Formats: sequence, structure tokens, C-alpha cells
Amino acid sequence: AQKITQTQPGMFVQEKEAVTLDCTYDTSDPSYGLFWYKQPSSGEMIFLIYQGSYDQQNATEGRYSLNFQKARKSANLVISASQLGDSAMYFCAMRRRDDKIIFGKGTRLHILP
Amino acid sequence: KAGVTQTPRYLIKTRGQQVTLSCSPISGHRSVSWYQQTPGQGLQFLFEYFSETQRNKGNFPGRFSGRQFSNSRSEMNVSTLELGDSALYLCASSLGQGQPQHFGDGTRLSIL
Repeated sequence: AQKITQTQPGMFVQEKEAVTLDCTYDTSDPSYGLFWYKQPSSGEMIFLIYQGSYDQQNATEGRYSLNFQKARKSANLVISASQLGDSAMYFCAMRRRDDKIIFGKGTRLHILP
Repeated sequence: KAGVTQTPRYLIKTRGQQVTLSCSPISGHRSVSWYQQTPGQGLQFLFEYFSETQRNKGNFPGRFSGRQFSNSRSEMNVSTLELGDSALYLCASSLGQGQPQHFGDGTRLSIL
């Protein structure tokens, strides 16, 4: 079955440090897309970054980068120079070939001052 | 450019009632998807509409239904509400296949 696994239910990181949020996925589709979303305590889902399965280079968006290792089926999110405002739930998601999107259970990130 | 707008933000209902939630997508977005988020099950896909047609459907009972209008606005209806329907309902819009989804702030539904 196609699924997304986020093995870290929660993480505590010191402000200004880099943080890596793990995400592994399982699919037999040759074509798929991987997304990361941030959900602050207020509830809205904020799109962060996207990686297509055929993209040769890792996606980057400002302080966010996606460490895409296709053979290992992992798509870890790296946040550089973390800030207090980065404290939130982070969800990894995959768009399947049928265009359905499935989400992982999420990782709650706490940035410590 | 206005984001995805969901109304109402909060809703309290009792068992057996029905509810209709509304979603206005970002201008120009023709795809609208609905998700249910609960602490136990996480984010679960309900359905997706594109150009007024349901293109995809998740594994939810028939009590959950939706529709999309010609202006891409979408509504979701839940009939015969159950306690387990208490959740945050999120709507997301996108330009189309393969494009990132942009979410609204959600409607928090509480069933008493």
C-alpha cells in the first residue's frame, strides 16, 4: 500500500540550529510528487516545498530544502538556521499517479530560545 | 491575491444534524480538495473536484458529499452527524494536476 512515514512524532531544536525532519514513502508509481506543509497552532496549512520524482536536483525554497534520495525513498525536509516561528507541525505528503494526495502523521517541531 | 477562504471557521452541531461547509478557492484555481483532520487519524483525503466534477474520492461513507460550482467554489455536506465527525475540515485549491495545494484556515466542527 502506498504510504508516507514520518518517524519523529516530536522534536526539540535550539534556535538557529539546522533541523532535519524525516520522511519516507512507499510507492510503485514511477511518477509522483512530494510535498512538505507546515501547520502552526492556528490550524492553517502552509505549503513549503515540492519535489517531483523526475527532478534531478533537490528542491530549495529559502531556508527550506528537500533532501531527496529516490533509491532510499526518502524526502527529508531540512530547515536551516531555525527560528522560533518555525515551531509547528510539519507534514510530508505524496501525490500519487491518480492525483490523490496522502499525508504522513506529522512531526511536531519545537524551537527552543 | 486572496487565499483559500473557508466558512464558517467554527461550527457546533448535535448528533443527527447535517452541516454544509463552504470553500472559495484562490482565483484561477479549478481544483478543490477536502480533507478531514483528527488527532487520531491525521489528515485524510475526502474528495477532489475539478471543473464541477468529482475527480477523486477517499474512503468515507456516503454521508459525506460535496459539489463544485461553475465559479470553482465548493461545498461539502455531512448528513446524520456522528460524534466521530468532530474534526478540522480543510479545503485546498490548486491550478491542477501536479500543482501544490494551497489550504484554507479550515472549519472546526464539533459534534455534541
